[in-house]
Amino acid sequence: EAQVTQNPRYLITVTGKKLTVTCSQNMNHEYMSWYRQDPGLGLRQIYYSMNVEVTDKGDVPEGYKVSRKEKRNFPLILESPSPNQTSLYFCASNPGTEVNEQFFGPGTRLTVL
Amino acid sequence: GQQLNQSPQSMFIQEGEDVSMNCTSSSIFNTWLWYKQDPGEGPVLLIALYKAGELTSNGRLTAQFGITRKDSFLNISASIPSDVGIYFCAGPLIQGAQKLVFGQGTRLTINP
Repeated sequence: EAQVTQNPRYLITVTGKKLTVTCSQNMNHEYMSWYRQDPGLGLRQIYYSMNVEVTDKGDVPEGYKVSRKEKRNFPLILESPSPNQTSLYFCASNPGTEVNEQFFGPGTRLTVL
Repeated sequence: GQQLNQSPQSMFIQEGEDVSMNCTSSSIFNTWLWYKQDPGEGPVLLIALYKAGELTSNGRLTAQFGITRKDSFLNISASIPSDVGIYFCAGPLIQGAQKLVFGQGTRLTINP
């Protein structure tokens, strides 16, 4: 089954404790993105990747890092999480240049205390 | 800052009613997208619009690309319980770019 998977789905952590949210897609897609969803703000893009080892900032990259060492995986790293990073995070992938073909993962709900 | 403004932010309707929502921007968009997010899931693409004035349907859903390129509309006819969710408009700020911006969303609640 074609899908985007994220782990963990739920995470509660404390300020400053490094964490990684994994994202994997099995559709051989070139492009992958990370978004955060906050009430009243919709989804905002954090980072995106156009191919292996090629990443670029979205609208809200501060406090986040990403890597794309393999085509299928695009982990989101929070080196020193803070409470304002409490949010719902979505990974997405798309096969080509048309960003509208994005497939979203199920989401990761992160709480930073 | 927020690029796309959706209205209304929430709607409470009776089953069977028609629904209208819209999305406006201060910038021109060459592609308008409408997504639906079911509770506990990621957004799913409903309709994509590529041409000013275009009217596209997907079952009971109809979306229009405004002729000014600064707005879009989504209508749902004869709503049913599974229409519940959050509807987002979205678009790429730069055509062909991977940078997608979303509206705040319209939360639809249906009373059976």
